[in-house]
Parts: sequence; C-alpha cells; structure tokens
Amino acid sequence: EAGVTQSPTHLIKTRGQQATLRCSPISGHTSVYWYQQALGLGLQFLLWYDEGEERNRGNFPPRFSGRQFPNYSSELNVNALELEDSALYLCASTQDRGPETQYFGPGTRLLVL
Amino acid sequence: QQQVKQSPQSLIVQKGGIPIINCAYENTAFDYFPWYQQFPGKGPALLIAIRPDVSEKKEGRFTISFNKSAKQFSLHIMDSQPGDSATYFCAASSVSGTASKLTFGTGTRLQVTL
Repeated sequence: EAGVTQSPTHLIKTRGQQATLRCSPISGHTSVYWYQQALGLGLQFLLWYDEGEERNRGNFPPRFSGRQFPNYSSELNVNALELEDSALYLCASTQDRGPETQYFGPGTRLLVL
Repeated sequence: QQQVKQSPQSLIVQKGGIPIINCAYENTAFDYFPWYQQFPGKGPALLIAIRPDVSEKKEGRFTISFNKSAKQFSLHIMDSQPGDSATYFCAASSVSGTASKLTFGTGTRLQVTL
C-alpha cells in the first residue's frame, strides 16, 4: 500500500511569490492535515480537510490556504511568501476524523529567498 | 503559545542506555498523547500512544509513563540502539467535536553512540 505522497520534494521561491504544495493521501483516507515544521519550532498545525471541507485551521495568516479535491488529494497555497515561510511542510492523512492514526508524508521543503 | 513543552532539546546516550524524554501539557481537555519518531528526510511516524486512563504503556522497547495529576508524560527507550537515533516528538490532542488536531512538542534529537 502506497503511503502519503507529497510534491515537489523541494521548492525554491523568492519573497512575494506564491507556492503550491500537493499531497496525495493513503488510498481510502478522507482526512488530510497540513503542518509546518520550522527549525526549532516542532510541527505547527496549519489546516485540516475532511470530505472536501476545511474543518479546522491553525494560527496562521489567511495567505495560507488550501483545498481538498474530490479524490481527497489536497493542495496548500502560500501567497505573498515571506522569508520566515521557509520550512518543511508536512501532510498527513487519516481514515477517520480522529487524529490518532495520522500517517505523514515525507514533506516539501520550501526555501524562500 | 506552546501548549506542549518538551525536554530536553537534545540527548546523547550510549548503546544500551535508557534515554528519557519528557513532555508537559497545559490543556486539561487533551485526552490522547502520541509519540512520533522522525528520521532525517522522512515524515514523522507514530511510535506509541497513550490515553489518560492508564499510567503506563509498553510496546517493545518503548514505554510511555503518564502522570495525569502533574499533566506530564514521558518516553523511555530501553536498551537503546544506534538505529534509534532520530528526532522524537510528543504530541497531544482532544478527540472532540470538529477541532481534531495534534499539538506537538518542539522535538528531542536523540543520538545513540556505540
């Protein structure tokens, strides 16, 4: 069974640009979570999508947004990139709405210059 | 606001030693406490988890100790091996309503030497 996949693996952007990150959950999983892992800050919850709807949002500005498609894959968009957005962005999926069985992808490393 | 505090930030132990990583939480609504293991270049993987109705849980060489009154929990790795060298994250969540999310600690980088 394939795990959670994310693309691209690395992304380099300049300040002010937009970044789009993609996530494909494990087959059969309907919930997708996005986290930001910045150096020294652990994982910060960004967004939770379930059945195509945004269910919860972390303490991030509106320029962080996303969506979930009918096939349950998800996209994270970051507009007006700032230097401090440089981080590893992790996607996780679960089969149900509980957080217990979150399976993480390898992440997309975003570098903002 | 750091709702889950994790310590130490880094830890070096010799092979066979028992590293202990501690976490403390503030939100009394938390009712699920997992530990994740992350190797370089990989996403975190669930290692072991506990609910507050038990004080200890063992899975292989990994043990979680939970102290509900102190709002603390810890991970013990018995007979540690060089392959255990990784970053470990504690987390907490409240499985209620629509606010399902994990709050993570800042991580502990463990190095097990020969």
